[in-house]
Amino acid sequence: QQQVKQSPQSLIVQKGGISIINCAYENTAFDYFPWYQQFPGKGPALLIAIRPDVSEKKEGRFTISFNKSAKQFSLHIMDSQPGDSATYFCAASRRTDKLIFGTGTRLQVFP
Amino acid sequence: GAGVSQSPRYKVAKRGQDVALRCDPISGHVSLFWYQQALGQGPEFLTYFQNEAQLDKSGLPSDRFFAERPEGSVSTLKIQRTQQEDSAVYLCASSYRTSGARDTQYFGPGTRLTVL
Repeated sequence: QQQVKQSPQSLIVQKGGISIINCAYENTAFDYFPWYQQFPGKGPALLIAIRPDVSEKKEGRFTISFNKSAKQFSLHIMDSQPGDSATYFCAASRRTDKLIFGTGTRLQVFP
Repeated sequence: GAGVSQSPRYKVAKRGQDVALRCDPISGHVSLFWYQQALGQGPEFLTYFQNEAQLDKSGLPSDRFFAERPEGSVSTLKIQRTQQEDSAVYLCASSYRTSGARDTQYFGPGTRLTVL
């Protein structure tokens, strides 16, 4: 199975709140798990990525939590800001670097 | 420095027409990927080049789709006899190192293709 399942489809958060997006995968051969942020009319841009030998990675307000046994990983956005309003995609890949994307989460942060 | 650029940004084609979409990767990037993004969906892999060699074309949906990168830099995705189901945003991405290095893929802004 090459699928990556992502939830929720959409998310509304108050400014300053925590946004949480979840992803699950089936293929245990995946060894790279990036999150991409996409604004309307733009291409996806890498936000943060993790490898399965690490359970958590933090960069500023963005944290990836990774659960290898459950084959799940999640993105946490702390202190969410209106400028974070965008669509977020999780992805996974094997050594070939071909990215398998989730279906996306549209995040709206209200002031 | 310049990022990945794509042209045209928008393309409207009548059903049955041929189209050509261009991608200019970041200078020096070895790997180049094409993805197709349907409305409200995540990007789906089409094909991959390492320099001028097309190493993976498993995602191309039919033999109407053809991609090339003859000199290992600029790439063109060609769609022959376009169909309405080809309407999507076509994204190009490039990365510095070769397959296996899990290097960051930098995406262009995409070409939005609408087939009438």
